[in-house]
Amino acid sequence: AQSVTQLDSQVPVFEEAPVELRCNYSSSVSVYLFWYVQYPNQGLQLLLKYLSGSTLVESINGFEAEFNKSQTSFHLRKPSVHISDTAEYFCAVSGNTGTASKLTFGTGTRLQVTL
Amino acid sequence: DTGVSQDPRHKITKRGQNVTFRCDPISEHNRLYWYRQTLGQGPEFLTYFQNEAQLEKSRLLSDRFSAERPKGSFSTLEIQRTEQGDSAMYLCASSLPQGHTSYGNTIYFGEGSWLTVV
Repeated sequence: AQSVTQLDSQVPVFEEAPVELRCNYSSSVSVYLFWYVQYPNQGLQLLLKYLSGSTLVESINGFEAEFNKSQTSFHLRKPSVHISDTAEYFCAVSGNTGTASKLTFGTGTRLQVTL
Repeated sequence: DTGVSQDPRHKITKRGQNVTFRCDPISEHNRLYWYRQTLGQGPEFLTYFQNEAQLEKSRLLSDRFSAERPKGSFSTLEIQRTEQGDSAMYLCASSLPQGHTSYGNTIYFGEGSWLTVV
């Protein structure tokens, strides 16, 4: 079984400032890791994922996350946020065998970007 | 590709009534998932189909809940004798078969169906 901890329920940040959203996971097997974003009253959109290979993965809109196996972390970062990044961000994990796409989510981090 | 479609998007029902949600997955996706999300929480896995076979059910899925995918295409999630604790957003997701060249371990979510039990 897997579990995910997102330590920060809310992260307020000014526009153009950097941000880091923290995610730690626990698993007895090798994992795949994901970040999803949820805008108000919408479903989840995949932001980025780590399956294998390079531990640093990037999204098309400037976010990046680094898989750190020793610290069991997959923190999400962006060097300069925009107002439009305001949303709920969920970290998720799945085992890399069996029902690989069955996801276990964290409780989410609300990113609030202000001017 | 129209994405995962869910209907209705919002449902308000009285306690004790039955409700049914429908999910149409992305074409060619043989895997279909149901998740539940309550306010302030992340989505929680409920059940999973591969084609028409229901392969896994969470203990969260009480006997008042039933999900079907009769022809391996769309799926329905029915909640009988609704309770206020059932108020949540019910998310459907789909993915390609594991091993498909474009699988990528990616599941695609619909916009969810909000249920409010009063």
